[in-house]
Amino acid sequence: GENVEQHPSTLSVQEGDSAVIKCTYSDSASNYFPWYKQELGKRPQLIIDIRSNVGEKKDQRIAVTLNKTAKHFSLHITETQPEDSAVYFCAASRGSGTYKYIFGTGTRLKVLA
Amino acid sequence: DADVTQTPRNRITKTGKRIMLECSQTKGHDRMYWYRQDPGLGLRLIYYSFDVKDINKGEISDGYSVSRQAQAKFSLSLESAIPNQTALYFCATSGAGGTEAFFGQGTRLTVV
Repeated sequence: GENVEQHPSTLSVQEGDSAVIKCTYSDSASNYFPWYKQELGKRPQLIIDIRSNVGEKKDQRIAVTLNKTAKHFSLHITETQPEDSAVYFCAASRGSGTYKYIFGTGTRLKVLA
Repeated sequence: DADVTQTPRNRITKTGKRIMLECSQTKGHDRMYWYRQDPGLGLRLIYYSFDVKDINKGEISDGYSVSRQAQAKFSLSLESAIPNQTALYFCATSGAGGTEAFFGQGTRLTVV
C-alpha cells in the first residue's frame, strides 16, 4: 500500500544553522506534498506545500524540493530560530479522485540557543 | 473563523467501555478524516469519508467504527476500548483536488 518514510526522527541544530528533513513516498500517482508543523500541545498546521509540476518552492526561510523520479521531497529551514522547534510531518496525496493523505512518522526538530 | 472542533478534548475510560469521539466542521469541506497519533508513529489514518454516503477504512481501522451524520459531522467510535487505544486522536477536513488538510484540536484518550 501507500507509504511515506520520513528521516530523521529527531534533529538538533544550533540556532542560525540549517535543518533538512527528507521524505520518500511509494505511490507514484501522488502529486501533492504538504508539510505540517506541530508545536507542543497544538494541532498540526500547514507550513508549505508543493505540487508535482514544480521542483522547488520557497517561502521566506523555508523551502521544499521535489524529485519525482526518485520519489523524494525535502523540507529545508534556513537560519533556524528557537520557535522552529516542533514536530514536522510530511505527507503525500493524489490530487484528484479518491485520494487520502498519508503522513510520514514525523521529525522532532530542536533548535538549540 | 471556520474551524474543525473535536469533543471531548480529554477522556479517560475503562477497558471494555464504548466511547464516541465527535468532530464537527464549519469549513464546508466534503472530506473528513480520523487520525491517531502515537509517539514515533506519526499520524496514522483510521477512517476517511469523502461525502455523507462514503466511508473508507484507513490503515488501522480494526477496533474502530465511524459515522458520517452530516456533511459537517464525523464521529469515531471505539466499540470496546482497550489500553493500546490510548493515544491522541485528530479529526481533519479538506477540500477537493489535493488541498490543505485542517485539523481539529485533538482528543487525548486514555484507556485504563
